[in-house]
Amino acid sequence: DAKTTQPNSMESNEEEPVHLPCNHSTISGTDYIHWYRQLPSQGPEYVIHGLTSNVNNRMASLAIAEDRKSSTLILHRATLRDAAVYYCIGDYGQNFVFGPGTRLSVLP
Amino acid sequence: EAGVAQSPRYKIIEKRQSVAFWCNPISGHATLYWYQQILGQGPKLLIQFQNNGVVDDSQLPKDRFSAERLKGVDSTLKIQPAKLEDSAVYLCASSFRGQLNTEAFFGQGTRLTVV
Repeated sequence: DAKTTQPNSMESNEEEPVHLPCNHSTISGTDYIHWYRQLPSQGPEYVIHGLTSNVNNRMASLAIAEDRKSSTLILHRATLRDAAVYYCIGDYGQNFVFGPGTRLSVLP
Repeated sequence: EAGVAQSPRYKIIEKRQSVAFWCNPISGHATLYWYQQILGQGPKLLIQFQNNGVVDDSQLPKDRFSAERLKGVDSTLKIQPAKLEDSAVYLCASSFRGQLNTEAFFGQGTRLTVV
């Protein structure tokens, strides 16, 4: 199975930008890169997804490397409500494989 | 828009008992997924339905787990008999079509404790 790798945990200060990295060196050319996050006691929540070019939405930005072997989720101004586990996922042909994700802590 | 509904939220059973979980996906969503999430790990896909047909059940322990999606809407996931290692959160998700280039919506999950 193609896999993604992420740091286990990261910390950020409130109202500062956060860059969450992900490596997906074995992703194929047609696999989308998805990001979900999971708040405590909640199901995962969609954040953003993209294929080749950078993507923006109201929650975050996704910067995808030109060779598609890595990507970075950008939260422009972290809030306490952004504290969660963030999962980077390659869809590997319609089959989501979640890794352990990155636990983001936001400090006031 | 109503989200993915799951019930019950919590369930405690003894090992070797049976248990069933129910999921109502978002209206119009053809694809439905069941995931198992063990504490401290990411969700693991158990089964994926497209309408009422199974797309992928390669990681479903079929000797004890079963799932159905009659009429292509609601779904139930059953465990019989339960083992201690089945203690986990069971998440249901749905999407308009397969996960390629689309967003999946997750329910809040059912937390199962097997004692």
